[in-house]
Amino acid sequence: ELKVEQNPLFLSMQEGKNYTIYCNYSATSDRLYWYRQDPGKSLESLFVLLSNGAVKQEGRLMASLDTKARLSTLHITAAVHDLSATYFCARTGAGNMLTFGGGTRLMVKP
Amino acid sequence: DSGVTQTPKHLITATGQRVTLRCSPRSGDLSVYWYQQSLDQGLQFLIQYYNGEERAKGNILERFSAQQFPDLHSELNLSSLELGDSALYFCASSVFGAGDTQYFGPGTRLTVL
Repeated sequence: ELKVEQNPLFLSMQEGKNYTIYCNYSATSDRLYWYRQDPGKSLESLFVLLSNGAVKQEGRLMASLDTKARLSTLHITAAVHDLSATYFCARTGAGNMLTFGGGTRLMVKP
Repeated sequence: DSGVTQTPKHLITATGQRVTLRCSPRSGDLSVYWYQQSLDQGLQFLIQYYNGEERAKGNILERFSAQQFPDLHSELNLSSLELGDSALYFCASSVFGAGDTQYFGPGTRLTVL
């Protein structure tokens, strides 16, 4: 059974600080996705990581993939309140089905 | 706005009832996926259709069924509803299947009383 585990599940940060969310998965995967979800809202695609060593950056968020360690990270630089949301990593399985991690709820405090 | 639409936004019904959730994919997308999000089970894949054909099945209960129509919209039918079926149901679409990013609709919040 495919498993995707994220940690931490909850993260409270001060504005301006840096932090990393970790995503471990149980089997090899072609692709690793990061999504953002605001409370009661839909999921917004942030990054897709295609190969070992892939790194993508958008604003204060940077995602990376280490397929040998089966690990992806989402690094937050100089957090701002607008980044408060729940972040999910997901990998693809049979067909194109996504298996999601449990999510990391991020709260950025002024 | 992802371009994926779902109706209705909210649905409140009673145990034992049957409901239908509707999804229209982004223009040009052939694949439609259904996911269920609940507090206790997180985000779970239910089923995928590609160009009208069932492509992959996940943890979908026998009481649930789906189909994709020739115009590519999809419907998820939930019957004999139980309290535990209360959840947010998302539809996503992608151009083809394997390897394509999925874009999610706004979701339908189902409450079973």
